[in-house]
Amino acid sequence: EAGVAQSPRYKIIEKRQSVAFWCNPISGHATLYWYQQILGQGPKLLIQFQNNGVVDDSQLPKDRFSAERLKGVDSTLKIQPAKLEDSAVYLCASSLVGQGLENSPLHFGNGTRLTVT
Amino acid sequence: QKEVEQDPGPLSVPEGAIVSLNCTYSNSAFQYFMWYRQYSRKGPELLMYTYSSGNKEDGRFTAQVDKSSKYISLFIRDSQPSDSATYLCAMSETNFGNEKLTFGTGTRLTIIP
Repeated sequence: EAGVAQSPRYKIIEKRQSVAFWCNPISGHATLYWYQQILGQGPKLLIQFQNNGVVDDSQLPKDRFSAERLKGVDSTLKIQPAKLEDSAVYLCASSLVGQGLENSPLHFGNGTRLTVT
Repeated sequence: QKEVEQDPGPLSVPEGAIVSLNCTYSNSAFQYFMWYRQYSRKGPELLMYTYSSGNKEDGRFTAQVDKSSKYISLFIRDSQPSDSATYLCAMSETNFGNEKLTFGTGTRLTIIP
């Protein structure tokens, strides 16, 4: 089975610019997550979708971050305007619904490494 | 206080040594415990999963959970250079699907040939 695809792999922008990341989950995975991983820290959940509905976006900085999953498949995460502290790896993950953590763990993509200068 | 605390390391050990990685947590509602392995410039991948207190063994890896102490461990026996990676503990309150995982900060491990 193909894994979670993310693009781009790397992005360098200046502060106050905008940037967008794309994620295509594993086929059939209804749940999609965006995590932010700052260097030296563990992943922090930004937003969670089930199909095209938002399950949890409590930690998403909504003044500058937005995400959508219009057709319940692929997703985009946008930052506008970017700040220096947004420099991080943005990880997308997907999983099956209702299968449990052991039978359907989160499958992560390799992430997009964002540097804001 | 963070919900999940993990010694960030880095930790370097010689090949063949036994490695012990640990996490503590404060949220007593956590019942499902996982260890993820993350190679450099890759996404995390599930290594071990345990429910509630007890031990689970899978090859050279053993996961332990002590809910009374709010402490979990991962042991690696006969460590290999291919085990060099960052190890992240993760926890969840539920296991119905749509879980929100809380991760530790990760321990960077290097196995020296």
